[in-house]
Amino acid sequence: DTGVSQDPRHKITKRGQNVTFRCDPISEHNRLYWYRQTLGQGPEFLTYFQNEAQLEKSRLLSDRFSAERPKGSFSTLEIQRTEQGDSAMYLCASSDQRTLSNYGYTFGSGTRLTVV
Amino acid sequence: EDQVTQSPEALRLQEGESSSLNCSYTVSGLRGLFWYRQDPGKGPEFLFTLYSAGEEKEKERLKATLTKKESFLHITAPKPEDSATYLCAVQATGGGSNYKLTFGKGTLLTVNP
Repeated sequence: DTGVSQDPRHKITKRGQNVTFRCDPISEHNRLYWYRQTLGQGPEFLTYFQNEAQLEKSRLLSDRFSAERPKGSFSTLEIQRTEQGDSAMYLCASSDQRTLSNYGYTFGSGTRLTVV
Repeated sequence: EDQVTQSPEALRLQEGESSSLNCSYTVSGLRGLFWYRQDPGKGPEFLFTLYSAGEEKEKERLKATLTKKESFLHITAPKPEDSATYLCAVQATGGGSNYKLTFGKGTLLTVNP
């Protein structure tokens, strides 16, 4: 297992288009998180999955955002009708209950979204 | 609401010039305080977890310390490869959101040769 993988690394899209990102967590981790990071800011929480259940969704997320984690494995984050304000780095992370308190999250390298 | 404030926002050092980064936090109950390193275009990389006031952890030229209100990341004799953004995050106890990390904005460290 090589860590958390995210695809694509970069995405440029026109305003109004839909985009989908994929995250493959560490296979032993049952917890998966999505964060968003803009330039000069720290990561902000978007949503959390435990296995296949989405247990929390931030109030930061509008109805244009949706995330899934079918079968508790990989996850997808979809943004519909993108806006310029959606431009950011989208980070995926994973953990399990034991490692969270000891090692925090393991992050992927992120997907850089640019909306033009 | 949990809050994390990091200072300074940016720090420029000469190689070998030791300094400290600060992380002040407000949380109802602290389960853990985390330090991460983030290189440009990459995800944060775990450095340390601290759990209680008085605790210290070291890794190479880095040492993290914790009090009841803040944490310091001390960098001794830094090298250019230590240049990165250093992020601090807190995990709160109890409630339904103890899995969530709240991050500060980070300190951008530049070490010149």
